[in-house]
Amino acid sequence: GAVVSQHPSRVICKSGTSVKIECRSLDFQATTMFWYRQFPKKSLMLMATSNEGSKATYEQGVEKDKFLINHASLTLSTLTVTSAHPEDSSFYICSAVGTSGNDEQFFGPGTRLTVL
Amino acid sequence: GQNIDQPTEMTATEGAIVQINCTYQTSGFNGLFWYQQHAGEAPTFLSYNVLDGLEEKGRFSSFLSRSKGYSYLLLKELQMKDSASYLCAVRDAGNNRKLIWGLGTSLAVNP
Repeated sequence: GAVVSQHPSRVICKSGTSVKIECRSLDFQATTMFWYRQFPKKSLMLMATSNEGSKATYEQGVEKDKFLINHASLTLSTLTVTSAHPEDSSFYICSAVGTSGNDEQFFGPGTRLTVL
Repeated sequence: GQNIDQPTEMTATEGAIVQINCTYQTSGFNGLFWYQQHAGEAPTFLSYNVLDGLEEKGRFSSFLSRSKGYSYLLLKELQMKDSASYLCAVRDAGNNRKLIWGLGTSLAVNP
């Protein structure tokens, strides 16, 4: 149990276009999901907390108008990178909080975004 | 401020034991997690400690001392596949369920 999927796994886009990444909890309901960004050989950088049915909470320095998050159901959160630029190229990972008592986060497999 | 410290890199030999330390200074504490991450993949959960003491799970054990702000992950009978990055994360106090992440320790297991 506790499987999280992400789609797409890889995406290459042109500068100026928008890209949507989906994060789904396949066998459990997740009221809270997190979106992370990770640069090569660096640790996870939390971008925002996504709560079902409410606005996302963004970390300091993350532009909410550039990284749009929608958590429309208990099993789906989406991250849209708007007007992507080459510096947005990164590994984006989502996680969903499980229903065990320790609030363990289950991670999706990640999405590699390359902006040309 | 919030700070989590781990060694950047470690090297060990197949079959040996290695201990990866983590110290934290956070405004609140509601549990400590260890995750394993192989290159290009998402992190996978290894262990969770919220009370002082040792939690053992197969070849992996994790220890916590809340008074010292200290944890370690112990890996026994190392295998080549254990070569990965090991991330220490502290759960923030309160209801936001966020994790504060260390920078990770890159472990190389040599034959």
